[in-house]
Amino acid sequence: GIQVEQSPPDLILQEGANSTLRCNFSDSVNNLQWFHQNPWGQLINLFYIPSGTKQNGRLSATTVATERYSLLYISSSQTTDSGVYFCAVAPNDYKLSFGAGTTVTVRA
Amino acid sequence: DVKVTQSSRYLVKRTGEKVFLECVQDMDHENMFWYRQDPGLGLRLIYFSYDVKMKEKGDIPEGYSVSREKKERFSLILESASTNQTSMYLCASSWGGGSRLAGGEFTGELFFGEGSRLTVL
Repeated sequence: GIQVEQSPPDLILQEGANSTLRCNFSDSVNNLQWFHQNPWGQLINLFYIPSGTKQNGRLSATTVATERYSLLYISSSQTTDSGVYFCAVAPNDYKLSFGAGTTVTVRA
Repeated sequence: DVKVTQSSRYLVKRTGEKVFLECVQDMDHENMFWYRQDPGLGLRLIYFSYDVKMKEKGDIPEGYSVSREKKERFSLILESASTNQTSMYLCASSWGGGSRLAGGEFTGELFFGEGSRLTVL
């Protein structure tokens, strides 16, 4: 099956700092999503981005499908950004494969 | 906004009990999914449904069954709960239908419920 690698595994930030999370995948995909898992366990959609660039407030994402990677940018981080960020991809079928996640801790 | 609602946030059951986890979505999505999430193992797909009364096995279907009698509702059933089924269970839905085996494709954005934390004693 498709392999999904996220880096770094852990990230500690001071409030106000910027950061970049990376997702590499081993095969071509037609679905790529970024999620944020909050402390209560719910997975919140951030971006549906099989290619291109999107922005939503302080968050933005870029997927370069031909090079098989995606980046999630967090700018001016806040303590509420803490949690686990997951990248999930699917080739030409229904099954999303999830990366192991990046645990982000933002300190006040 | 898309809303996926799971019936129970926290459950405690005894070994051997029958357990029902219910999931309802309000966006008329064709696809619904059940995942479990465990430390060190990530999210793993248990079952998937692409239409009413249709289901396909995911990566770890053993010990589980599912039911989809109505489009908006997808139930996960543990016929006889065991301690190794203690986990976080996550339901999700998306648009896009068609059986993978019939050549259909899933292309929709996945939306998750709040999760159900099950403890089996």
